[in-house]
Amino acid sequence: SQQGEEDPQALSIQEGENATMNCSYKTSINNLQWYRQNSGRGLVHLILIRSNEREKHSGRLRVTLDTSKKSSSLLITASRAADTASYFCAYITSYGKLTFGQGTILTVHP
Amino acid sequence: SQTIHQWPATLVQPVGSPLSLECTVEGTSNPNLYWYRQAAGRGLQLLFYSVGIGQISSEVPQNLSASRPQDRQFILSSKKLLLSDSGFYLCAWSPGRQQFFGPGTRLTVL
Repeated sequence: SQQGEEDPQALSIQEGENATMNCSYKTSINNLQWYRQNSGRGLVHLILIRSNEREKHSGRLRVTLDTSKKSSSLLITASRAADTASYFCAYITSYGKLTFGQGTILTVHP
Repeated sequence: SQTIHQWPATLVQPVGSPLSLECTVEGTSNPNLYWYRQAAGRGLQLLFYSVGIGQISSEVPQNLSASRPQDRQFILSSKKLLLSDSGFYLCAWSPGRQQFFGPGTRLTVL
């Protein structure tokens, strides 16, 4: 399967702590994306990192990409209860099709 | 600005009944359109994608079909629902790399 793999499957932390989620993939990519999904809702695009980039920041989000290891990580700093959601990595194949990882369920306790 | 609509939000259907889920996009033309299914607690599985009117590509063999009768309309259908068709169905559109998701339809087949 070309599906991405994410770990951990679930992460539970306290407000103010940092949350790190990892993603591994099996094919060559042009870019890797991270999405967020609140319970029972659609997905929202968070950040895209190109294959020639190693790190990218957006607000409290920091994404790294290691193409030699075919892995990426998403770091959320100073987490808030509102960050509670599922987080998915995804990469594009042909025709803009996205292949998603299984996701990490993040719970941030106030 | 672009928006994407899906309806209904929730649906409960008996086994063997037909299905029609509709997705429409506003504010853009000739988008790539996608149907995904998400089982509980899992990642997204791409079902169909379309790069233009009347053009449908199926990713996995199944009990479902898709149609694109208009540029910004994407319909997911079934003639006879199975229990295994239950899930959360998401429509998405893309201008290129990033995808924008609708709010989803929760389908329960009893």
